[in-house]
Amino acid sequence: AQSVAQPEDQVNVAEGNPLTVKCTYSVSGNPYLFWYVQYPNRGLQFLLKYITGDNLVKGSYGFEAEFNKSQTSFHLKKPSALVSDSALYFCAVRDMSSGGSYIPTFGRGTSLIVHP
Amino acid sequence: EPEVTQTPSHQVTQMGQEVILRCVPISNHLYFYWYRQILGQKVEFLVSFYNNEISEKSEIFDDQFSVERPDGSNFTLKIRSTKLEDSAMYFCASSEALQGPTEAFFGQGTRLTVV
Repeated sequence: AQSVAQPEDQVNVAEGNPLTVKCTYSVSGNPYLFWYVQYPNRGLQFLLKYITGDNLVKGSYGFEAEFNKSQTSFHLKKPSALVSDSALYFCAVRDMSSGGSYIPTFGRGTSLIVHP
Repeated sequence: EPEVTQTPSHQVTQMGQEVILRCVPISNHLYFYWYRQILGQKVEFLVSFYNNEISEKSEIFDDQFSVERPDGSNFTLKIRSTKLEDSAMYFCASSEALQGPTEAFFGQGTRLTVV
């Protein structure tokens, strides 16, 4: 079975500071990994994904994520946070292997609050 | 930019009543999904749908749930006899493909409140 853990319910950061939102995963095979963001009263918006290759993936709005196979992590990062980045962030995983589920499994979400 | 749309944005219903949540997936997408999120908990998969039939479902998706694609554009989730614990945000999603690294696109959600 595949699973995702987002260990922090909330992350607080000052505007202009770097931010990290943590995600760890578990799959039987190799993972596809995704980050989504949800702004108030909006659906989940795709930010970025890891498929294979370069461990550092760049996505929308200046976000990036680093895949670490040994630590089974896919942390979301941004060098300089903006107040407008305040939102709910979801990590998701899909199993690449043919016997795995094609359905993305999501974490519970992390609320990012960026203070002016 | 094409998007998934869901209606209504908020639905309040009495326990035991039937509700239908509606979704219009992105037009060239072939795979459709329903997820739900109970307040403060993780986003949980309910069901996926392809070629007019359910392709996968979770243990949450019991006999009180059903999905349908009544025409070429809508995708609906029906809950036959709602329970208090069905109160949640329900998200519809669609994707071009099921296999491979294809991301799903989500609607804004329907907040269902069962009273």
